[in-house]
Amino acid sequence: QQQVKQSPQSLIVQKGGISIINCAYENTAFDYFPWYQQFPGKGPALLIAIRPDVSEKKEGRFTISFNKSAKQFSLHIMDSQPGDSATYFCAASTDSWGKLQFGAGTQVVVTP
Amino acid sequence: EAGVTQSPTHLIKTRGQQATLRCSPISGHTSVYWYQQALGLGLQFLLWYDEGEERNRGNFPPRFSGRQFPNYSSELNVNALELEDSALYLCASSFGTLSVTDTQYFGPGTRLTVL
Repeated sequence: QQQVKQSPQSLIVQKGGISIINCAYENTAFDYFPWYQQFPGKGPALLIAIRPDVSEKKEGRFTISFNKSAKQFSLHIMDSQPGDSATYFCAASTDSWGKLQFGAGTQVVVTP
Repeated sequence: EAGVTQSPTHLIKTRGQQATLRCSPISGHTSVYWYQQALGLGLQFLLWYDEGEERNRGNFPPRFSGRQFPNYSSELNVNALELEDSALYLCASSFGTLSVTDTQYFGPGTRLTVL
């Protein structure tokens, strides 16, 4: 049972373009939604995170949009750069869980 | 400040053998998490240890087990290895269970190959 569904599986965007990755969740108890970035041969690294009391959070070129009623959240990468080429994972969790429930990942390729 | 470290980097075993993977958390972190990243399957939660106790467990068979030592380092043991256990095993650590927003910092992983 996949509790966090992520799309698309892969994405190709030109340098300077916008990358958009979407996630949907089922469990209404989730109250923490982080995004992780993973480069080949490395462990995932936290990129940005949001809690459901806000609808949007922006850090530099990265923005999370959150829609609690639709149980959806998305990552927008503005002005995409070749260095952003990586796999991005959305995740969700609750305090009592400890564990992160990850989406399947999106491989983003930014072409020069 | 040193990040999460894992050893070994690579491990090759044959079916039926046992594998032991090790993780040292960031200094000051008391929680350790283990995840399995199999090809095409994303990251699957395995185990969560905090203050030496197992706090939560993912949907994996009992042959996946582990422990956390008094210095907060952790060990993951996989018994009776099967071919499908081949994966990257990631360890993460955080300050603890006070808040789920305590960021989980990941190590580089141990690549386990079962032949």
